[in-house]
Amino acid sequence: GAVVSQHPSRVICKSGTSVKIECRSLDFQATTMFWYRQFPKQSLMLMATSNEGSKATYEQGVEKDKFLINHASLTLSTLTVTSAHPEDSSFYICSAAPSGDQPQHFGDGTRLSIL
Amino acid sequence: AQKVTQAQTEISVVEKEDVTLDCVYETRDTTYYLFWYKQPPSGELVFLIRRNSFDEQNEISGRYSWNFQKSTSSFNFTITASQVVDSAVYFCALRDSNYQLIWGAGTKLIIKP
Repeated sequence: GAVVSQHPSRVICKSGTSVKIECRSLDFQATTMFWYRQFPKQSLMLMATSNEGSKATYEQGVEKDKFLINHASLTLSTLTVTSAHPEDSSFYICSAAPSGDQPQHFGDGTRLSIL
Repeated sequence: AQKVTQAQTEISVVEKEDVTLDCVYETRDTTYYLFWYKQPPSGELVFLIRRNSFDEQNEISGRYSWNFQKSTSSFNFTITASQVVDSAVYFCALRDSNYQLIWGAGTKLIIKP
């Protein structure tokens, strides 16, 4: 089946640090990938849609300068949390689908803790 | 508006009991997909099922079964003979015409031994 790999799985760093999270589709190409954020005991919140070769589409209320997304190839999208602060601490999850009508498959998530 | 409602915040049952998780959706699209995902305590999301809006046939996969009823805009999920390993948060989701997923709030299922 379709496999999505997300790295790192956990990050603990100091306030002000920038953190990069990678999302890779291992056995398929994905022109579109999605980045979600999940707060404890809540549902997933779509942050942005990552489009290969073009700018990401951000959801309302998500700061594009804070959460930089780069989708440089058909198998890799990265999310960089710039100058992270404690309020950015969360569980970040990426997803991708082999094609538009296929179900999204998710990475294992990245638990980000900013001290 | 597109919306997915999972009214049950938390369900707790004893092992071997059957349990049904409810999902009600709203959409203006005539073609859409519905999904169920499982999120165990470890956090990863596991795809369980996808259902096309034109296919109202119920599906059974082992102890899991799904009841899709367009007339009531519901896509309920039943686990038969529940096991402790079924304990997780279960999300129902609707995919819109932009291929984005509209998520329900999730139902936390606790299976007690």
